Amino acid sequence: NAGVTQTPKFQVLKTGQSMTLQCAQDMNHEYMSWYRQDPGMGLRLIHYSVGAGITDQGEVPNGYNVSRSTTEDFPLRLLLAAPSQTSVYFCASSRDRGNEQYFGPGTRLTVT
Amino acid sequence: GNSVTQMEGPVTLSEEAFLTINCTYTATGYPSLFWYVQYPGEGLQLLLKATKADDKGSNKGFEATYRKETTSFHLEKGSVQVSDSAVYFCALIVTGGYNKLIFGAGTRLAVHP
Repeated sequence: NAGVTQTPKFQVLKTGQSMTLQCAQDMNHEYMSWYRQDPGMGLRLIHYSVGAGITDQGEVPNGYNVSRSTTEDFPLRLLLAAPSQTSVYFCASSRDRGNEQYFGPGTRLTVT
Repeated sequence: GNSVTQMEGPVTLSEEAFLTINCTYTATGYPSLFWYVQYPGEGLQLLLKATKADDKGSNKGFEATYRKETTSFHLEKGSVQVSDSAVYFCALIVTGGYNKLIFGAGTRLAVHP
């Protein structure tokens, strides 16, 4: 049982490039989320999903896309990377509403 | 709106000292409250939680009591260890709707031998 896995661990992009951050969980959780962590701001919700085929925006969705074609996977796409997207990105999953969320180890992204 | 405020760090303590990290919240409805811990280079792990007023969450010697009258959920530990050095996040989920975690800014704890 690997829990929540994320790849890559580190990534450097140039402004305007695109990439996909991968997230997978093997706990059969319906709820999955993407957060970004910035110094002094805690974690902020980017996008979330309540099940396969269902996604919605969080509080900071601009510049990011998501899709949920399977229960296990929830990739986050950066369309045109900008320096403001330099951050640490965490994926999380939970069994149902209101329950503990399990976090992946994070992806540290730098956009130059 | 819903928000979490926690004391600014860093908090620097000697081993075996008493720890308090303050956390207060503003929420509509009846939130569940959480403390998460982030060790260097790792993701967040749930430390403890409380789902209703007067509940006490506890784990690994840490405790926090859900105080509805003061809208607080302060984290305490009687005797910290060097291995407790980490960043601690207070968070809430408001029941109803998606279970979006709302985090405080985090408090860095450094424990010295």
